[in-house]
Amino acid sequence: DGGITQSPKYLFRKEGQNVTLSCEQNLNHDAMYWYRQDPGQGLRLIYYSQIVNDFQKGDIAEGYSVSREKKESFPLTVTSAQKNPTAFYLCASNQGFTYEQYFGPGTRLTVT
Amino acid sequence: AQKVTQAQTEISVVEKEDVTLDCVYETRDTTYYLFWYKQPPSGELVFLIRRNSFDEQNEISGRYSWNFQKSTSSFNFTITASQVVDSAVYFCALRTSGGYNKLIFGAGTRLAVHP
Repeated sequence: DGGITQSPKYLFRKEGQNVTLSCEQNLNHDAMYWYRQDPGQGLRLIYYSQIVNDFQKGDIAEGYSVSREKKESFPLTVTSAQKNPTAFYLCASNQGFTYEQYFGPGTRLTVT
Repeated sequence: AQKVTQAQTEISVVEKEDVTLDCVYETRDTTYYLFWYKQPPSGELVFLIRRNSFDEQNEISGRYSWNFQKSTSSFNFTITASQVVDSAVYFCALRTSGGYNKLIFGAGTRLAVHP
């Protein structure tokens, strides 16, 4: 089945450690996105990539980094510079700007 | 400025009641797209509908219907005869034609349907 996978579902880290969240899609979509969701709030865009080897900052990119070496993969690294990293992270993809974005199941990151 | 407002934070209904979720948007663009997503407790966002700014026809899909009114910048979502499985957080989102393919989300409305 085509879709987006994110792993792991739950992730726990100590403060000061970098952590990488995985996002893989087999929908053959060119564009991929990372969003952050905090309790009781909507989604906010962290980074997006419209094509392989190219990515752009979203609204809240500070403390995060990404890579897009393959069309199928768009990993997100939460660095120790991110001041409040505990959140629910959602990856999405789509094909063309008119089309809806499809979302993965999300990763819930807890940093203590 | 581009913005999506979902004024209803939480709604609680009893099964079989009809419920309307409000969405008001702001944009100066003449070409834009509106979306509704459902987020069940599992967390994954499920796409429900896309509507472009040139298509003001209302749409019905089973128990779901959407009312798009450009005059009031609203894109409301009605669930008829609600069921417990409709319990979720619902997000309205806006995508404009300029710039990258960014979705601007509202804060969401949490719908609880009780038996």
